[in-house]
Amino acid sequence: KNQVEQSPQSLIILEGKNCTLQCNYTVSPFSNLRWYKQDTGRGPVSLTIMTFSENTKSNGRYTATLDADTKQSSLHITASQLSDSASYICVVSFQSGGYNKLIFGAGTRLAVHP
Amino acid sequence: NAGVTQTPKFQVLKTGQSMTLQCAQDMNHNSMYWYRQDPGMGLRLIYYSASEGTTDKGEVPNGYNVSRLNKREFSLRLESAAPSQTSVYFCASRVLATNEKLFFGSGTQLSVL
Repeated sequence: KNQVEQSPQSLIILEGKNCTLQCNYTVSPFSNLRWYKQDTGRGPVSLTIMTFSENTKSNGRYTATLDADTKQSSLHITASQLSDSASYICVVSFQSGGYNKLIFGAGTRLAVHP
Repeated sequence: NAGVTQTPKFQVLKTGQSMTLQCAQDMNHNSMYWYRQDPGMGLRLIYYSASEGTTDKGEVPNGYNVSRLNKREFSLRLESAAPSQTSVYFCASRVLATNEKLFFGSGTQLSVL
């Protein structure tokens, strides 16, 4: 069964600290993996995309990694800011019946405290 | 550009009532989607429209209908609301039904009593 699991469910860190969010998937055949950020009361916004051949990609203070062999991805946030408080959603894309389909993780809720 | 606009933002219905959620995008995207988001679960696809003139069922279509009115607009209708349809509904769009990223609206919080 195609699944995406994220950990931890929630996380509290102090402003300025780093953190790492995990995403494990069993989706096949894999097309790509995206991380989205969802602020409270808003829709998700794409942060970064990882394709099969990419190991690491950075977007400012966000760095995503992908290990296609172990089917794991991580999102590392450096020098956290209050504005990083949000849910982070891992989404894996795969091809089925000629269509591109998506499986969403349940998200990690991050709270950054001053 | 407004991006993806959803209305209403909040709605309370009684069991059995009907309503339509509206969605419009101004990015000239071909593909549009309706998702629901429930606590502790990932977003689940209700219906999608890969291109103007086509609609297809997603993962959880029961109790819903959709209309792709034109390239910009994609509405979701609940004919007879049930408490199990209490959720946050998101409309999304992207250029094509490929690997492109989704652009989401701000959501509609629906409560069915």
